[in-house]
Amino acid sequence: SAVISQKPSRDICQRGTSLTIQCQVDSQVTMMFWYRQQPGQSLTLIATANQGSEATYESGFVIDKFPISRPNLTFSTLTVSNLSPEDSSIYLCSVRQGGTDTQYFGPGTRLTVL
Amino acid sequence: SQQGEEDPQALSIQEGENATMNCSYKTSINNLQWYRQNSGRGLVHLILIRSNEREKHSGRLRVTLDTSKKSSSLLITASRAADTASYFCATPPRGLIFGTGTRLQVFP
Repeated sequence: SAVISQKPSRDICQRGTSLTIQCQVDSQVTMMFWYRQQPGQSLTLIATANQGSEATYESGFVIDKFPISRPNLTFSTLTVSNLSPEDSSIYLCSVRQGGTDTQYFGPGTRLTVL
Repeated sequence: SQQGEEDPQALSIQEGENATMNCSYKTSINNLQWYRQNSGRGLVHLILIRSNEREKHSGRLRVTLDTSKKSSSLLITASRAADTASYFCATPPRGLIFGTGTRLQVFP
């Protein structure tokens, strides 16, 4: 299985600022995804990070608020912009390798917005 | 939006007992996956069952899938305190869409 790391593991940010989260995988993967897990809730898919093109966003998520980059097959970033307390969540990177259906998850980034 | 709903939302049992969690989903799938999440930590993939499979085993885990009812169940046999976690089912097509989860508490 792929080994996934995320930076930062946690952060506390002020309202109105932005946070960029990095996701690094130890091998090339076909698909990369970003999820949000609000306190006490399940995971919600934000978007699919596409290599070399714009991310594919799920309903309720927009590029202006959650810009995503994926410059290559092992790395992606998620930025959460114009932060508000409602953005306080755990953000998780997930990958799926070519030829398999199993998805693996990074350890998550815990964001607290004051 | 959530694809699946877990039932029950919370479950408390004694060590050694079996725990059964159910998941219902909305759309057609080609596979369904179960994950475990310990409090405040990342997700661990437990098992994947394909739409042409009815039952699958992995150690103390048994998963069933009924595509006609759009439902799946996860059975943990001889539970241990270390099984205390939240359990989620998740389905494709793009990234996984997660159910609401079952919080399992196993008392020693």
